[in-house]
Amino acid sequence: AQSVTQLGSHVSVSEGALVLLRCNYSSSVPPYLFWYVQYPNQGLQLLLKYTSAATLVKGINGFEAEFKKSETSFHLTKPSAHMSDAAEYFCAVSAAIYNQGGKLIFGQGTELSVKP
Amino acid sequence: GAVVSQHPSRVICKSGTSVKIECRSLDFQATTMFWYRQFPKQSLMLMATSNEGSKATYEQGVEKDKFLINHASLTLSTLTVTSAHPEDSSFYICSARDGRSSGNTIYFGEGSWLTVV
Repeated sequence: AQSVTQLGSHVSVSEGALVLLRCNYSSSVPPYLFWYVQYPNQGLQLLLKYTSAATLVKGINGFEAEFKKSETSFHLTKPSAHMSDAAEYFCAVSAAIYNQGGKLIFGQGTELSVKP
Repeated sequence: GAVVSQHPSRVICKSGTSVKIECRSLDFQATTMFWYRQFPKQSLMLMATSNEGSKATYEQGVEKDKFLINHASLTLSTLTVTSAHPEDSSFYICSARDGRSSGNTIYFGEGSWLTVV
């Protein structure tokens, strides 16, 4: 079984400040981990994913995340927030099983607000 | 890059009627597609796994007779909401797994807004 917990349903930062969105996972098999962003009334956009290669994953728009197996975490960070980063962010986990995965289990989501 | 398209993007239907949502993989074959449901301000909930040429696998609590899934070809899966009620109003999103890649490359559709009046 797999699950994802995102700590904090809402995070507010000032423009230019560090963004840290927390994600912890639970998985009985080796996981793949994902971060998606969703803007209002739109679909999902993949920010980055961990697929058992490098533990520090760099994504689009300056975001990165680090897979820490010992902490079962995959926190998303960005050094300097931009107003355009305001959106809903979802962490997701799937089984790292070739040709059998793809079923994503999503966290509850974290709404990021960026103050000018 | 790979694209997954959903149609319609928005649909309004009367209570009691059925409505079909299509999910297409445009430049790859998807033996497996997934259907999610998202209520406003909430997360995505996996409804079912759609397998080409076989029956869909539904998640616990999802009524298979109400949410009919058909995956008749390698590029098309459809979700039909039967006898729709206002509580079925939601954002429905599909995803497709690109089997060409060695990892789990998943592409999401743009989503479909269903409003039942």
